[in-house]
Amino acid sequence: EAQVTQNPRYLITVTGKKLTVTCSQNMNHEYMSWYRQDPGLGLRQIYYSMNVEVTDKGDVPEGYKVSRKEKRNFPLILESPSPNQTSLYFCASSSEGAEAFFGQGTRLTVV
Amino acid sequence: QKEVEQDPGPLSVPEGAIVSLNCTYSNSAFQYFMWYRQYSRKGPELLMYTYSSGNKEDGRFTAQVDKSSKYISLFIRDSQPSDSATYLCAMRVTSGTYKYIFGTGTRLKVLA
Repeated sequence: EAQVTQNPRYLITVTGKKLTVTCSQNMNHEYMSWYRQDPGLGLRQIYYSMNVEVTDKGDVPEGYKVSRKEKRNFPLILESPSPNQTSLYFCASSSEGAEAFFGQGTRLTVV
Repeated sequence: QKEVEQDPGPLSVPEGAIVSLNCTYSNSAFQYFMWYRQYSRKGPELLMYTYSSGNKEDGRFTAQVDKSSKYISLFIRDSQPSDSATYLCAMRVTSGTYKYIFGTGTRLKVLA
């Protein structure tokens, strides 16, 4: 079954404690992205990758890092999380012009 | 001014109605136009995808792009209660970047 898998689904953490949200896709897609979704602001792109070792900033990259060492994986790293990074995060992948598949989401709370 | 504007709703319609959802945008460089449906507590799922301008139809769904007016629409015919969800428009420019801009979404309720 074609899917994008994010882990964890829910996470509560404390300010400043480094964390990683993993994202994996099994469709051999070149393109992957991370988004955050906040009430009233919609989905905003954090980072995207057009292939292995190729990443670039989206609209809201501050406070986040990504890496793309393998085609299937695209982890999102928060080196020093802050409360304003409390949000619902989605990973997505595609092989063409549209984001065809989104993950189930990761609800992150930073206290 | 936001690059993509979308009325948040909620929009309530009776079952069987034709629904019209719209987005306006300001960046004339956008070439890819998408509509996504998002159910509560789920990730968005792609409904329609159009490159450049024109119409595209898929079952009960029709997407229209009017680049001269910077306006896109999604029409849902014979709406069903299962269509109740949030509908997001999204856009991106063509080659060289994979930067996406989403609208804030319109909540739709189809009443049985």
